[in-house]
Amino acid sequence: DTAVSQTPKYLVTQMGNDKSIKCEQNLGHDTMYWYKQDSKKFLKIMFSYNNKELIINETVPNRFSPKSPDKAHLNLHINSLELGDSAVYFCASSQGTGYQETQYFGPGTRLLVL
Amino acid sequence: SQELEQSPQSLIVQEGKNLTINCTSSKTLYGLYWYKQKYGEGLIFLMMLQKGGEEKSHEKITAKLDEKKQQSSLHITASQPSHAGIYLCGAELPSGTYKYIFGTGTRLKVLA
Repeated sequence: DTAVSQTPKYLVTQMGNDKSIKCEQNLGHDTMYWYKQDSKKFLKIMFSYNNKELIINETVPNRFSPKSPDKAHLNLHINSLELGDSAVYFCASSQGTGYQETQYFGPGTRLLVL
Repeated sequence: SQELEQSPQSLIVQEGKNLTINCTSSKTLYGLYWYKQKYGEGLIFLMMLQKGGEEKSHEKITAKLDEKKQQSSLHITASQPSHAGIYLCGAELPSGTYKYIFGTGTRLKVLA
C-alpha cells in the first residue's frame, strides 16, 4: 500500500487557470506538509497542518490555499496559475511536529504552466 | 542565502568507488535528515540523526552528525548505479519553530 499518495502525478495547464493537487496518507499521521521543489532541486516548505490546523505558513502567494478536510488529507489549490508556479510539489506526513519526527514523502506532482 | 549548504553539487563516480557528500550549517541543528530522490521520482527518507557524534548506516550508506551538530556527512561505500540520484539533507531550525530547511542537493551519477 502506498503510504503517501498524490494526484495527479503530472499536471499541464495554461496560465490563469485554477488547479488542485490532492494528497492522502494512510499512515495515521497527525501532520502533513506541502513542499515546492524548484528547477534547481531546492526543496522549500510551503504549508504544514497538524490535526487539520495550519501550523506553518511560509511566505507563499495568496493564490496558494491549502485545505485539510481531515487528518489524512491535505489538498493544495492554486488560483490564477503563473509560469513561475511550474515545479514539482511534494506532499509529506509525519506523526508529530517535532524534530524527531520522520517525514514521509509522496511521489510528487509535476506541474507545468504554459 | 542557504542555511544548509551541500557539497559537492554534483558528483560522477565509477561503480565500486566510495564517495562522501557533506551538509553544513552555520547554526546548530536539532535533527538532520538525509533523503534521496531518484530522477523523476519522489523523495525517499534515508535516515535521521539527532545526537552529536551519532552515526547510522543503511545498507552501504553511512551518515554521521558531528559533535557540534553543524555538519553531517553521507558516505557511500562501493557505489552502484542504483545509488544514482539526488541526495538532500534537511533539518529543523530551533526546536518548536516547526520550520524545516533543506540543502541544495547533490546530484550523483554512478558510471557502470
